Amino acid sequence: QKEVEQDPGPLSVPEGAIVSLNCTYSNSAFQYFMWYRQYSRKGPELLMYTYSSGNKEDGRFTAQVDKSSKYISLFIRDSQPSDSATYLCAMSVGTDSWGKLQFGAGTQVVVTP
Amino acid sequence: EADIYQTPRYLVIGTGKKITLECSQTMGHDKMYWYQQDPGMELHLIHYSYGVNSTEKGDLSSESTVSRIRTEHFPLTLESARPSHTSQYLCASRDLGNTEAFFGQGTRLTVV
Repeated sequence: QKEVEQDPGPLSVPEGAIVSLNCTYSNSAFQYFMWYRQYSRKGPELLMYTYSSGNKEDGRFTAQVDKSSKYISLFIRDSQPSDSATYLCAMSVGTDSWGKLQFGAGTQVVVTP
Repeated sequence: EADIYQTPRYLVIGTGKKITLECSQTMGHDKMYWYQQDPGMELHLIHYSYGVNSTEKGDLSSESTVSRIRTEHFPLTLESARPSHTSQYLCASRDLGNTEAFFGQGTRLTVV
């Protein structure tokens, strides 16, 4: 079983809708959580970073971490066709001095005009 | 915008050639990573470094090697390229405090 599970999609939504993405994980030691956006043939671009539990908002993006359920979410409000990309969740433990990230498989999002 | 750079962006090379993929960052990060990603697939860690003269192999076995002689520089070398090495190679860095990790744009390698 993978440490980080993420539905690969594709997830298709109409422009203006809310996109809801999530990842589940099994390692309770994870403390650092990140969401990346990756366009085709490009490197992942950091969208959100959170430490431990709670919510974080940045413009149209909201990240939530529920450590008790081992569940993290990313919401994209007022979605645009330019949001069409693959979204990757990533996480790491706090005590791991190497800081290695564990990634989900990525969810492909398609926002249709 | 992250200050981490990979060169070349694209490389097509013949079987048996030696290649080096370059990765440099100007953020002073101690931790650096190489990931391999096939189209539509997840990222797999192949090498990582905690600092100068510190390198380790990642979760995915790779025939490549890395070196870390300077903090800002983390090159990856393939001594004899094969078609099975065709993939996208992504470099990332992170500071000592385990905050955000930043990625380069990637090198898309094709071995013919």
